[in-house]
Amino acid sequence: SYELTQPPSVSVSPGQTARITCSADALPKRFAYWYQQKPGQAPVLVIYKDSERPSGIPERFSGSSSGTTVTLTISGVQAEDEADYYCQSADSSGTYLVFGGGTKLTVL
Amino acid sequence: QVQLQESGPGLVKPSQTLSLTCTVSGGSINSGDYNWSWIRQHPGKGLEWIGYIYYSGSTHHNPSLKSRVTISEDTSKKQFSLKVSSVTAADTAVYYCARVSALGAFDVWGQGTMVTVSS
Repeated sequence: SYELTQPPSVSVSPGQTARITCSADALPKRFAYWYQQKPGQAPVLVIYKDSERPSGIPERFSGSSSGTTVTLTISGVQAEDEADYYCQSADSSGTYLVFGGGTKLTVL
Repeated sequence: QVQLQESGPGLVKPSQTLSLTCTVSGGSINSGDYNWSWIRQHPGKGLEWIGYIYYSGSTHHNPSLKSRVTISEDTSKKQFSLKVSSVTAADTAVYYCARVSALGAFDVWGQGTMVTVSS
């Protein structure tokens, strides 16, 4: 089965840069997507197709890809960015979707 | 603006079938631009993709759920549904419905509904 691996937690101070990685266990890697989930709320899409930002998402959110790893970068982290972040992609056929285990971002 | 709303029983007995419906408002359900999906989240855990239905009616589901999952749609009511058979306590979770855009992203989500499996 296709798996995506994320670090369980990342901590940063306000104003600093947070980087959350997501590693796929095989090639070819398909596009990745990132979701932010705050307690008691549904997830919200923050990055699509590795690095594209939906309208309404602050510019401090960006995404990048290298090999089988994608990275969500949050520049100038704010307290409101404290949340769980999930990457999502698909297997090589594009048929079966998968989420990473999630990363809890703590703003110190 | 498209909105999704899940509905269904919040409590299901073990071995029975869990049934949920997602109602789509503010947009069409039979546009070829979108697929319609179910995702669940066990208490305190991460997101798990359950499956989706194409606008054509064909479906795909997470192999880990084996053949217990059925996803269907009623375009006349602008609804799509989820059935999970032979449920156990391990199926206790918040269930979300979501739209899958042509870009491959879950771009619109329902608010989620908690389903507890217990006798």
